[in-house]
Amino acid sequence: GENVEQHPSTLSVQEGDSAVIKCTYSDSASNYFPWYKQELGKRPQLIIDIRSNVGEKKDQRIAVTLNKTAKHFSLHITETQPEDSAVYFCAATPSGNTPLVFGKGTRLSVIA
Amino acid sequence: EAGVTQSPTHLIKTRGQQATLRCSPISGHTSVYWYQQALGLGLQFLLWYDEGEERNRGNFPPRFSGRQFPNYSSELNVNALELEDSALYLCASSPGSGNTGELFFGEGSRLTVL
Repeated sequence: GENVEQHPSTLSVQEGDSAVIKCTYSDSASNYFPWYKQELGKRPQLIIDIRSNVGEKKDQRIAVTLNKTAKHFSLHITETQPEDSAVYFCAATPSGNTPLVFGKGTRLSVIA
Repeated sequence: EAGVTQSPTHLIKTRGQQATLRCSPISGHTSVYWYQQALGLGLQFLLWYDEGEERNRGNFPPRFSGRQFPNYSSELNVNALELEDSALYLCASSPGSGNTGELFFGEGSRLTVL
């Protein structure tokens, strides 16, 4: 089955700097890669996703890149703000008939 | 539109007891997923129900079980509770199997086993 590794487990950045979180996956059939943000005491919420036919996707300060050959994908947050502080989870799935497999999460702290 | 709702918010049990957690999906969603979020372990897949049937099961012992009702709500049962079952149990819903897209999560039920 699919296995997703996520790094780093914790990340501290100064406000205004960029943050990068990286994930690798094992199943070459995986074709859907979402990123979820979980603020303290809140539910995980989707912030951006990418499918295997796309190499990069951007939404304002957030971008995700996918390298299918190397089986890794990354989340990039530019101009970080204190409200970006949260735990971020990457995930992957080979198809709509298999559940999402999540990484262990990255705790991002943005220091004002 | 109401989101995914879970109950109870918190539950305290002792070792050996049974716990029942409940989830109501977003209206129109037929798939319900259960994930366990233990400290430092991320979200680990437990169970997936769609149209009343169990579609997939994660690597958890049989004392973790559940079901989905005709109205698509679901319950998760954990028998013979162990200390390591203490975790946040998250329920999520989606429009249905075969749809590779967003999962909508509830706020979770925090289970503490003493």
